[in-house]
Amino acid sequence: DAGVIQSPRHEVTEMGQEVTLRCKPISGHNSLFWYRQTMMRGLELLIYFNNNVPIDDSGMPEDRFSAKMPNASFSTLKIQPSEPRDSAVYFCASSATVARDEQFFGPGTRLTVL
Amino acid sequence: AQSVTQLGSHVSVSEGALVLLRCNYSSSVPPYLFWYVQYPNQGLQLLLKYTTGATLVKGINGFEAEFKKSETSFHLTKPSAHMSDAAEYFCAVSADGATNKLIFGTGTLLAVQP
Repeated sequence: DAGVIQSPRHEVTEMGQEVTLRCKPISGHNSLFWYRQTMMRGLELLIYFNNNVPIDDSGMPEDRFSAKMPNASFSTLKIQPSEPRDSAVYFCASSATVARDEQFFGPGTRLTVL
Repeated sequence: AQSVTQLGSHVSVSEGALVLLRCNYSSSVPPYLFWYVQYPNQGLQLLLKYTTGATLVKGINGFEAEFKKSETSFHLTKPSAHMSDAAEYFCAVSADGATNKLIFGTGTLLAVQP
């Protein structure tokens, strides 16, 4: 398997622009997680899905952030409008059906908002 | 609620020396415990995990961890450090008994001196 795929790997944008990050989980996995990692705040869980349904979005910082999972093989994380404080590395992870199973992480998207 | 504490945000060892990274957890259910490693500019990769059974768990790259219920600890060790072990290490505990959500520690950055 190719593992979790994220695109783009790097994104540089200007404040106020819309940013869309994409994730393809491992085939057959039914849980998907979006994380944000910064030096100041470490690794933060933003939202996670089970069977394409958002289960816990309590980590989403504010209304500028939204996430969707239209099908089992694709998810997006959108920031609109973006702000410099959104600069971070965003990771997507997926896990299989078994409860409490390990998560497999993608390579991340490094977002820089100027 | 579940939580993880990693003592020491930075650890430095000499090449060939013992590596010991500390992790203590709190869990209201029998814990599943994980250690992940993150190399520079990469996603997190599973080193090892404890679910049930044998309390000494062996992982990749010569690492192992021992689950000690009485001490609520899951420390990571490696007998002899290599330069290639320089990375950030995250301990995690399963958030509950029904999902794949994980609670991560704040990470320990391991430096290996020649």
